[in-house]
Amino acid sequence: QKEVEQDPGPLSVPEGAIVSLNCTYSNSAFQYFMWYRQYSRKGPELLMYTYSSGNKEDGRFTAQVDKSSKYISLFIRDSQPSDSATYLCAITVGSYIPTFGRGTSLIVHP
Amino acid sequence: EAQVTQNPRYLITVTGKKLTVTCSQNMNHEYMSWYRQDPGLGLRQIYYSMNVEVTDKGDVPEGYKVSRKEKRNFPLILESPSPNQTSLYFCASSTNSLAEPYEQYFGPGTRLTVT
Repeated sequence: QKEVEQDPGPLSVPEGAIVSLNCTYSNSAFQYFMWYRQYSRKGPELLMYTYSSGNKEDGRFTAQVDKSSKYISLFIRDSQPSDSATYLCAITVGSYIPTFGRGTSLIVHP
Repeated sequence: EAQVTQNPRYLITVTGKKLTVTCSQNMNHEYMSWYRQDPGLGLRQIYYSMNVEVTDKGDVPEGYKVSRKEKRNFPLILESPSPNQTSLYFCASSTNSLAEPYEQYFGPGTRLTVT
């Protein structure tokens, strides 16, 4: 079993929909939970990160961590075609070597 | 502008012909890393470097070499490329502060095809 599992999708939604992207992990020692966004033909870029269980909001994006279930989510409200990208979760054990999920491809169609 | 640069961006080569992909960062980051990204497999770490002259294997190091003689540069060397090394390669760097999670800054990628 991979340490971080993520459904590759693709996930196709209409513009304006609420999107839920998810990862599960197996190592309870993981501390930092990050989401990267990767546009086609580009390198990944950090979108947001959170440290503890609970929610963290940044504009239309909300990161949620449930440590008891080892489950993390990224919610996108009012999704836009410009949100079409691959979203990768990344988790660390307090070091600077993150473990990445495989990424979920999101397509938001007008 | 803070950035990670990679060269070349695209490369088509033949089996066995040695090649080097360069990576350079201008953020004075201690930590640098190479990944390959393949469909269905995601990002897999090849090698990483904690600092100058310190390198270590990642998850898929076979067939690759690296060196870290200067802080800003971290070239990836394929001594004898094979078709199974056809992939999209990313270089990344970050600080190694222990106080915060470390944002990885990725380069634009190098698409390598080995025939």
